[in-house]
Amino acid sequence: GEDVEQSLFLSVREGDSSVINCTYTDSSSTYLYWYKQEPGAGLQLLTYIFSNMDMKQDQRLTVLLNKKDKHLSLRIADTQTGDSAIYFCAESRGGFQKLVFGTGTRLLVSP
Amino acid sequence: DVKVTQSSRYLVKRTGEKVFLECVQDMDHENMFWYRQDPGLGLRLIYFSYDVKMKEKGDIPEGYSVSREKKERFSLILESASTNQTSMYLCASSFGGPSTDTQYFGPGTRLTVL
Repeated sequence: GEDVEQSLFLSVREGDSSVINCTYTDSSSTYLYWYKQEPGAGLQLLTYIFSNMDMKQDQRLTVLLNKKDKHLSLRIADTQTGDSAIYFCAESRGGFQKLVFGTGTRLLVSP
Repeated sequence: DVKVTQSSRYLVKRTGEKVFLECVQDMDHENMFWYRQDPGLGLRLIYFSYDVKMKEKGDIPEGYSVSREKKERFSLILESASTNQTSMYLCASSFGGPSTDTQYFGPGTRLTVL
């Protein structure tokens, strides 16, 4: 299919790990991205991974890339209430640096 | 820091009005983009521009037009607003060339068409 797919909701308790999953479509995508959107705000780049990498770690964030299955995940360790937001994955597709975004996963962190 | 600003955070217009949404970036980026965001649909690309006076249709251009007269400014125009154009509109910009495709976003304009 053409869509970048994500589950719509995830609920975790503070201190737990969160794993947000994404399935993308274009095996030739050069970069894959995770963006965060807090309520009432625009999108903020969290991290990205180059397509020849399997994993990238950045403090509490771990990105895993399975190119065979076209599966991308974002793990947030020790999730905090401030992590509550919508998380979008995106793949680069086509020319002119176009990105195709997933539907977004709303993460709710409860105390 | 890259800064992308949008002219309004909230806008209310009537059906049939002509609506202008303005976006300005201060990092000399080549590429600029307009998206709309709707619940359950994620971000959908309306139009983008890779240079001054250049524009390309995105996935949902119907009912919209754009203008890029200066490098730093990209305008989205709704020629005759309709209720189904009520949405959150997000502008983004990125460097040209072979660098990453990282896009930097403005805060968004929530448009309501009555």
